[in-house]
Amino acid sequence: EPEVTQTPSHQVTQMGQEVILRCVPISNHLYFYWYRQILGQKVEFLVSFYNNEISEKSEIFDDQFSVERPDGSNFTLKIRSTKLEDSAMYFCASSGLESYEQYFGPGTRLTVT
Amino acid sequence: GQQLNQSPQSMFIQEGEDVSMNCTSSSIFNTWLWYKQDPGEGPVLLIALYKAGELTSNGRLTAQFGITRKDSFLNISASIPSDVGIYFCAGPQKMGNMLTFGGGTRLMVKP
Repeated sequence: EPEVTQTPSHQVTQMGQEVILRCVPISNHLYFYWYRQILGQKVEFLVSFYNNEISEKSEIFDDQFSVERPDGSNFTLKIRSTKLEDSAMYFCASSGLESYEQYFGPGTRLTVT
Repeated sequence: GQQLNQSPQSMFIQEGEDVSMNCTSSSIFNTWLWYKQDPGEGPVLLIALYKAGELTSNGRLTAQFGITRKDSFLNISASIPSDVGIYFCAGPQKMGNMLTFGGGTRLMVKP
């Protein structure tokens, strides 16, 4: 069964460093998303991406964040200068053109020290 | 913004018992999604509901989309230890739209 994959599973970085989180969405899906979940809290939307551009973003997704689809399969989230409060699980999700159903990857645990 | 409220926040039940949890919103949703999250993993889609009043089953799980489109419930029958986890309701406003998640119901099952 097709699934969303994410790498790395765990990333430790120092405050101020740049990180890139990678995702491979389900192959025939056209909408891509990033969400985050701070430990013990609910899942929060960051950004959605369709047709090679951002379609929606939350107020969390400030200028420190960017997304890219560098090729036909990968979808990345970049955080330019990480802060301690960026420590969280980051989930990638994807959905098909005619569907409300979003399928999530296993997540990347980002720890900023 | 939109908020989804889930109750109860947590439940501790005996294996074999049935479980019911619900989700309410101040806004109308056209779709309700129920996810389960195991510790350290991503949410897994359990059930999707599309029509007001719709009742949908997936194995021992049954979910209903409330008539007002502002609520949904999820039932688990004959719980087993692997049902342990956090159950989230979520709603998109339209296709390709962000999901708003509820705060989750943490289920613990005692063997």
